[in-house]
Amino acid sequence: NAGVTQTPKFQVLKTGQSMTLQCAQDMNHEYMSWYRQDPGMGLRLIHYSVGAGITDQGEVPNGYNVSRSTTEDFPLRLLSAAPSQTSVYFCASSYTRGQGGVTGELFFGEGSRLTVL
Amino acid sequence: GEDVEQSLFLSVREGDSSVINCTYTDSSSTYLYWYKQEPGAGLQLLTYIFSNMDMKQDQRLTVLLNKKDKHLSLRIADTQTGDSAIYFCAERFSGNTPLVFGKGTRLSVIA
Repeated sequence: NAGVTQTPKFQVLKTGQSMTLQCAQDMNHEYMSWYRQDPGMGLRLIHYSVGAGITDQGEVPNGYNVSRSTTEDFPLRLLSAAPSQTSVYFCASSYTRGQGGVTGELFFGEGSRLTVL
Repeated sequence: GEDVEQSLFLSVREGDSSVINCTYTDSSSTYLYWYKQEPGAGLQLLTYIFSNMDMKQDQRLTVLLNKKDKHLSLRIADTQTGDSAIYFCAERFSGNTPLVFGKGTRLSVIA
């Protein structure tokens, strides 16, 4: 099992460029989410989804777009990169309540380190 | 709103016990978690406890939950240098709602 796979692992962008961080999971999890991790700030939720076709905003959604066309994939788009978006991004997934998830455990990818110059 | 708070740093000597504390505000949380993050890596679940439990023990780890005070603690017995990492406390209402994290406690183990 690959689990949660994020690509790319590292990326450098210039201000104003756009890009997509990819996230794929092979565990049939309906719940998927994106967090960003900054020093001293912990993990802050950007967007999440409870199933294909359903997305919702988290704590820090501005400047980011998501879509969920399949159960497996949950890409995060940066529309016009800014230096404030320099961060480590984590994708995470879990079973939903309807899937009978017992522990609610969130499974994490290894992270994508983004630098915006 | 939801908020999870924990101290940012803890330093202990190898072989001693470590206790990491966390407070949360959402009394409807069903699940409470401790995640561990090693340098340059993602987060891995260390242990969890359901809100209807008071204590959970798993080898060197003991989790205590005080629902009245909304206080969660993680005790690591016989702390080793390999335990050096950032430990995140987190809460969740259900598998359909976001998991809310604290800012993380950086545990340093001195040999």
